[in-house]
Amino acid sequence: AQKITQTQPGMFVQEKEAVTLDCTYDTSDPSYGLFWYKQPSSGEMIFLIYQGSYDQQNATEGRYSLNFQKARKSANLVISASQLGDSAMYFCAMRETGTYKYIFGTGTRLKVLA
Amino acid sequence: DAGVTQSPTHLIKTRGQQVTLRCSPISGHKSVSWYQQVLGQGPQFIFQYYEKEERGRGNFPDRFSARQFPNYSSELNVNALLLGDSALYLCASSIRGVNTEAFFGQGTRLTVV
Repeated sequence: AQKITQTQPGMFVQEKEAVTLDCTYDTSDPSYGLFWYKQPSSGEMIFLIYQGSYDQQNATEGRYSLNFQKARKSANLVISASQLGDSAMYFCAMRETGTYKYIFGTGTRLKVLA
Repeated sequence: DAGVTQSPTHLIKTRGQQVTLRCSPISGHKSVSWYQQVLGQGPQFIFQYYEKEERGRGNFPDRFSARQFPNYSSELNVNALLLGDSALYLCASSIRGVNTEAFFGQGTRLTVV
């Protein structure tokens, strides 16, 4: 069965520093997509970055990059130059190609310190 | 462009009552999915609709039902509410049913007392 594991319930980072949020996944399907979403206290899930299982290069979107290690089944999110507005819950999610369902992890609460 | 909009934003219901949550997808998006997020957990998949047909259902009891209208908006209905139904209900829309990223609304916070 597909599963997403986020082992860091909470993380602190100093403003302007980089931080890595961990995500491991489990699937037997060779074709899948991995996503990171940010959820502020308002509740909305904000799409950050996507990595396809066949993508050769790690995905990047502005200050966000995804460290994709397929053999280890990990898809860690790296946030560079953290800002106070980055304080939120971060969810890793997986979707198998051809399906419509996202599987989410339990999330990591990030707090950026001034 | 308007994002995914959900109504109401907050709702308080009594055990045993019924509730209807509404979702309007991004213009041009034909797929709507519903997720339940209990406090402290990640969202759990409830339903997906594409072109007004149910395309997937999660592990939820028959008290949960949904439908999609010709304008692609959607309603989620929950009957015979239980305390455990208290959660944030998220709606997500995407252009197609599969292989595209989903965009989420701000959610409806349902409290059952």
